[in-house]
Amino acid sequence: QVQLVQSGAEVKQPGASLNVSCKASGYTFSAYALHWVRQAPGQRLEWMGWINGGNINTKFSPKFQDRVTFSRDTSANTAYMELTGLKSEDTAVYFCARESLDRGRPFDYWGQGSLVIVSS
Amino acid sequence: SFDLTQPPSVSVSPGQTVSVTCSGNNLGNKYVSWYQQKPGQSPVVVIYHDDKRPAGIPDRISGSNSGNTATLTISGTQAVDEADYFCQAWDTSFVVFGGGTKLTVL
Repeated sequence: QVQLVQSGAEVKQPGASLNVSCKASGYTFSAYALHWVRQAPGQRLEWMGWINGGNINTKFSPKFQDRVTFSRDTSANTAYMELTGLKSEDTAVYFCARESLDRGRPFDYWGQGSLVIVSS
Repeated sequence: SFDLTQPPSVSVSPGQTVSVTCSGNNLGNKYVSWYQQKPGQSPVVVIYHDDKRPAGIPDRISGSNSGNTATLTISGTQAVDEADYFCQAWDTSFVVFGGGTKLTVL
């Protein structure tokens, strides 16, 4: 079965960088794009961007494009998200989600989420 | 930028029908997905491509999209339907989520 397993919770200092991993299993990793979505406590889902399946194209939300990097290691079936210059407002649960090949391209599988707290 | 607007909350009595709306400029020209999220859990897609249900989603959950508004409808609402619901659409290569609607089953 398809699974996305993310790295664990972290506490970060303001100004530090965040690295979250998303290990995929149960499907052909390179065939699907992966998206990153975050959710601040009690807030809406906020799309950060995506990384394509095979050719490592990326697309970022304008809000994050100066601070975020996506990468993937196809040999390890793992995607990574790095967010730099952390601020308290970056405190959130970070999700990876697989983009379906179905029409409309919904996110059909989600990781369990990685809680990140930014605090001094 | 393209925005999606949802009511913050709706409530319904068990067994009744409830609709959650999602509004955006010419939203009917885009494909809309809906996600259900329960406290402490990851979102789950319940409707995609405006009105398609993934396997395992009960047929009392349905969707439509026309003009500027997409609608998620739950008929015969049950206590298990109590959750936050988010609409989502693609704006060219970008993804947009609505603000979410908290569904309370009274």
